[in-house]
Amino acid sequence: IAGITQAPTSQILAAGRRMTLRCTQDMRHNAMYWYRQDLGLGLRLIHYSNTAGTTGKGEVPDGYSVSRANTDDFPLTLASAVPSQTSVYFCASSDSGQGEAFFGQGTRLTVV
Amino acid sequence: GQNIDQPTEMTATEGAIVQINCTYQTSGFNGLFWYQQHAGEAPTFLSYNVLDGLEEKGRFSSFLSRSKGYSYLLLKELQMKDSASYLCAVLDSNYQLIWGAGTKLIIKP
Repeated sequence: IAGITQAPTSQILAAGRRMTLRCTQDMRHNAMYWYRQDLGLGLRLIHYSNTAGTTGKGEVPDGYSVSRANTDDFPLTLASAVPSQTSVYFCASSDSGQGEAFFGQGTRLTVV
Repeated sequence: GQNIDQPTEMTATEGAIVQINCTYQTSGFNGLFWYQQHAGEAPTFLSYNVLDGLEEKGRFSSFLSRSKGYSYLLLKELQMKDSASYLCAVLDSNYQLIWGAGTKLIIKP
């Protein structure tokens, strides 16, 4: 693994189903983030974690949950997917939360 | 509220120069970033400004005026591979990145 990896790359999900998007980084960065990107809108922060064991809510947290059991992994869970959660999801990390953010390749999620 | 404005789309000619503007109103300021995002790919870091002035990095330069809440990204000697979206983002007082919607740059031969 080099950098930050997301899985799956894309997914079609039935409404009401539970789904976990995976994110793993090997850069030992303290801060990690989940964003969604929708056409015409900027990246919107869903949840973040400044260090292992802590998480916080971003701009659009409803319907999503995260955990940060260790430095490397930051999974995002949709408890019961709805069509409005159709989006491209990006995981990112940064060393101190103040510097450059590195992004995963994204997960394209379609909820039908 | 917090707001970052950039033009939605710009068109330029291969070999020319283009300036992409970004204005911001945020709760505090701890730096401004520019990222490049090719279609279907992840954003990648281009530049960071925290003090007023111009930062030059090869064909790309970024300018910041904190008193005006204004930045621009200058791309010189445009190449076809520069066709992408350019995202402006501000680090606010809580060290959270606030993102603009991005400027889609189309390069024509």
